[in-house]
This record gives sequence, C-alpha cells and structure tokens, in this order.
Amino acid sequence: EAAVTQSPRNKVAVTGGKVTLSCNQTNNHNNMYWYRQDTGHGLRLIHYSYGAGSTEKGDIPDGYKASRPSQENFSLILELATPSQTSVYFCASVAGGRGQLYFGEGSKLTVL
Amino acid sequence: QQQVRQSPQSLTVWEGETAILNCSYENSAFDYFPWYQQFPGEGPALLISILSVSDKKEDGRFTIFFNKREKKLSLHIADSQPGDSATYFCAADNMGYKLTFGTGTSLLVDP
Repeated sequence: EAAVTQSPRNKVAVTGGKVTLSCNQTNNHNNMYWYRQDTGHGLRLIHYSYGAGSTEKGDIPDGYKASRPSQENFSLILELATPSQTSVYFCASVAGGRGQLYFGEGSKLTVL
Repeated sequence: QQQVRQSPQSLTVWEGETAILNCSYENSAFDYFPWYQQFPGEGPALLISILSVSDKKEDGRFTIFFNKREKKLSLHIADSQPGDSATYFCAADNMGYKLTFGTGTSLLVDP
C-alpha cells in the first residue's frame, strides 16, 4: 500500500509568520502535489513536481512556494502566512500518467 | 472559474436505495475522469474512473455513466450502505499530469 505522510498534522500560526508543511512518500513516485481543501471549493492545486529539483505552479500558487529536494520529500512553504491561508492541506503522489493519486491524511493549518 | 461542477452539494438516501451523484465539465480536452471518496479526517482515495472513449464503467455497486456530447457524467451507487457515507469528488484530466477536482458531494446514507 502506497504511503504518504504529512507533518505537522495540525498547526496554528500567526499572521506574517513562516509555515512549512512537509510531505514524505515511500512509493518512489515521480509526481507529487499539494492541494488545499476548503468548503465550497473542493480540492485546489497549489504546486506540483515531476521529480527531485522540479516544482511547477498549480492553479492557486500565489502566497505559496514549494521545494522538492529529493524523490521522497515535497514541502509547501508559506513565507508570510495570512488568515486566508487557513485550510486543510493535502499532499499526494502518483507514479505518473493516469495512475492513482495517493493522498496523505492532511495538515490542518490555522492562521490567526 | 470552476471547470468541474458537481451536484447536489449534499445528498441523503435510505439504505438500499441508489444514490446518484452528478458531474459536469467545461474543457472538451478532458478525457479521464476519476471519482475519489473521502471519509472525515482522511485523505481522498480513488474509487472508480473512466476514460472518455467509454460511456459506462462498473465496479461492483459503483457505476459511472458518461455522456461526452453533453460533457456530463454521473456516479451511481446501488444498494447504498451506511458505510458509503462520505464526500465524493469528481475529477478530470487531459494528460497534463494534474487533476482538476469538483467541489464534492456529501452523501449520507440513513439506515
């Protein structure tokens, strides 16, 4: 069974602070994704990566950066967190093409 | 701009009934449509998927009906069980390696 692990699972941050959400996958998948989930919006793609060293902008990248230092790890970085970034964030991985996306359990971020 | 739309937003059915969840899309280039199921506190998981070359896909109690001309598809859950209570997301892809998700339908199956 594919495994995607996110940390932290819960985070409270202050406005203007820096937040880093981490994701680790042990599936040796090439592609990794960061989504945010909000009521009424479903899942929206923030950033994605095709492999180590690559990051691509998704549909809502503003205010977020991403880093893929290795095949296994993909981080989402909020340099200056804002209350509008309060959400549940999901990391996912897939081998490639039309394969199944494997999601982590989510990271709930509250920005006060 | 919501490229993938789902309706209804929430749905309640009795145990044993067929639940019908609807999805429509705008981009004619979309040709792969997976449905993901999400339970509270968990990440979504793939339930069933269909390619646009097919008009129907079955997997046990779950069936996708696809109408390419109208850009619509639906997920039918036959003999609904309380354990099917979850949020269901329709998604679409056009080989861009990134899925576009709908807003989801929250299904409650009353015993």
